[in-house]
Amino acid sequence: DQQVKQNSPSLSVQEGRISILNCDYTNSMFDYFLWYKKYPAEGPTFLISISSIKDKNEDGRFTVFLNKSAKHLSLHIVPSQPGDSAVYFCAASEGGTSYGKLTFGQGTILTVHP
Amino acid sequence: NAGVTQTPKFQVLKTGQSMTLQCAQDMNHEYMSWYRQDPGMGLRLIHYSVGAGITDQGEVPNGYNVSRSTTEDFPLRLLSAAPSQTSVYFCASNPGQGNQPQHFGDGTRLSIL
Repeated sequence: DQQVKQNSPSLSVQEGRISILNCDYTNSMFDYFLWYKKYPAEGPTFLISISSIKDKNEDGRFTVFLNKSAKHLSLHIVPSQPGDSAVYFCAASEGGTSYGKLTFGQGTILTVHP
Repeated sequence: NAGVTQTPKFQVLKTGQSMTLQCAQDMNHEYMSWYRQDPGMGLRLIHYSVGAGITDQGEVPNGYNVSRSTTEDFPLRLLSAAPSQTSVYFCASNPGQGNQPQHFGDGTRLSIL
């Protein structure tokens, strides 16, 4: 049973427009959520995170929204740039990230067209 | 600053062979983890360690062994490789204090024939 799900395998957007990547989870014990970005032949790179005590966190062009009642989080990228083309993974953990145990979604391939 | 270093980058094994995937970090992080990435399944946790001498199982531990004799190193051992272990393996570390994200190595691509 997959506890973290990214139901869209891929997303295609035009440069300058908004990209919205979605993630759903089932484990109500998750209290910390992260988004990672991954280029081919490289390891995942941390992008942005959010604690369950918040419903929004911003970092430049990236904003993560958390809806605890719906067990749903989303990543907004505004404006999207061709360099944002990558695989995006959402991940979740219990007890913050202190234990080094993350549960990942399947990933969404984002393609930003010039 | 090297971060998390994994070796080798690529490896081909025959069924039944054994090997060790190396992982080293130079950030003095307490926590280290091993994940495997398979198509359509994201990354799944194999084993993790919260400090030297302490390890525990993750979601998919069968067929793998780990040990943590130093803070810097966390090798992953395949005792008798099986085709189902063909995957990309990622090692990660984080400080273990506060909500600090995991830092990942660039992975080892392993094929078992």
